[in-house]
Amino acid sequence: NAGVTQTPKFRVLKTGQSMTLLCAQDMNHEYMYWYRQDPGMGLRLIHYSVGEGTTAKGEVPDGYNVSRLKKQNFLLGLESAAPSQTSVYFCASSYAGGNSPLHFGNGTRLTVT
Amino acid sequence: GNSVTQMEGPVTLSEEAFLTINCTYTATGYPSLFWYVQYPGEGLQLLLKATKADDKGSNKGFEATYRKETTSFHLEKGSVQVSDSAVYFCALSIGGGSNYKLTFGKGTLLTVNP
Repeated sequence: NAGVTQTPKFRVLKTGQSMTLLCAQDMNHEYMYWYRQDPGMGLRLIHYSVGEGTTAKGEVPDGYNVSRLKKQNFLLGLESAAPSQTSVYFCASSYAGGNSPLHFGNGTRLTVT
Repeated sequence: GNSVTQMEGPVTLSEEAFLTINCTYTATGYPSLFWYVQYPGEGLQLLLKATKADDKGSNKGFEATYRKETTSFHLEKGSVQVSDSAVYFCALSIGGGSNYKLTFGKGTLLTVNP
């Protein structure tokens, strides 16, 4: 029972490099999310998707892009990494919105030097 | 806009002590309220929830009651264990479809000593 799987677990980038974080869920959930977690800031929503082929901006979308080509996958891209994007990134999924609980992956720790 | 305010930590308790973590919210409309827990090195997981006023959510000995009159959802446990050491997040959700929003508080670190 994998749930939500994020890859990679750790990554170090240099300023200006690009990368893609992959999130996969096997629960047939409609909604998927990308959050970043920073000390003293809690979790902030970057982008989310309410179904295959759809994406929407969250609270802090600048510098990130996302794609949801398949229902089970949600990709987060950084086109030109900046030190301000050093963070722990969490993917989550839920069956629907409203009061459906979120299921989280174990996170990706990204450092941009 | 919607927001969640929870007590700042860290909170340090001895085993078997009583725990309260305060959470208050501001929301337009009628939110659902949640407590999530994050154990070291892991993602968040749902601890309990309440979807309407006066509902009480409970799980693993933790409880929280949705108080509309005080816009609060305080987390309590009568006797904490070392294994309860974690970061606790209060959250609210409102809306649906493409307007769905889940808003988290900043988290409260709990450390329980034997």
